[in-house]
Amino acid sequence: QSALTQPASVSGSPGQSISISCTGSSSDVGDYDYVSWFQQHPGKAPKLMIYDVSQRPSGVSYRFSGSKSGNTASLTISGLQAEDEADYYCSSYTSSNTWVFGGGTTVTVL
Amino acid sequence: EVQLVQSGAEVKKTGESLKISCKGSGYSFANYWIAWVRQMPGKGLEWVGIIYPGKSDPRYSPSFQGRVTISADKSISTAYLQWTSLKASDTAMYFCARQDADWKPLDYWGQGSLVTVSS
Repeated sequence: QSALTQPASVSGSPGQSISISCTGSSSDVGDYDYVSWFQQHPGKAPKLMIYDVSQRPSGVSYRFSGSKSGNTASLTISGLQAEDEADYYCSSYTSSNTWVFGGGTTVTVL
Repeated sequence: EVQLVQSGAEVKKTGESLKISCKGSGYSFANYWIAWVRQMPGKGLEWVGIIYPGKSDPRYSPSFQGRVTISADKSISTAYLQWTSLKASDTAMYFCARQDADWKPLDYWGQGSLVTVSS
C-alpha cells in the first residue's frame, strides 16, 4: 500500500486559515470515513486532532476541522496561531484492514 | 488516566535481537488494540502493525511483515515489538498507540522508544 499524498509544507500568517490535503485511493480514503489527522511537535508523540473525517476529540480546539471529497481528505486550521506550527499527518483505514499514513505536512506560521 | 509507557532508548549492533515494550494503564488493556508506528530520523510516520491483546492475533503492514514480530501479554498489560536480526535501517523512533477497535483512531500514544542500530 502506498503512503497517502500530502503537500510537504503549508504556511500562513496568524489569524489566517490554511488547508492541508490528503489524497489516497478508492482502497482507503475513498472507501472509508475512517480518516484521522495528527499533530506532531518536534520531539513529541503525535496527538489526535481529527478522527472519522470530521470529528474532534474532547479538548481539541474548534479551529481544527476536517472534510472529505472522493479520494481526498482535508484538514483546515482557522485563526492560525503560533502554537499550530507543527507537522501534520493524515491516516486512513484501508481495504486490507490496515492503516496507512500520509507523508506529512509542515505548517509554518509566518 | 490512560497511559502508555514505553521502554527506554536502545543502542544495538547489526544482527542483534531486540524487544521493546509498551505498558498500558488506566484502562482495560485486553479490550483495546495496540498499534506500533515507526518514525525514521527526520521522516514521517509509518504504520507497522497492530494487535488485540485479548486474542494476540497480530496484523502487519506488508512493508514490515516478516521483519518484526508484535506480541502482547495481557496479564501484565504490555505489548511488544521485536526483531531477531537488526539492520541499520531499523534505526528509528517507535511509538505505540491505543485503539478502541482496529478501524478506530489512535487516541492515546506512548512517549516513543528510540532504537539506534550501528555496525
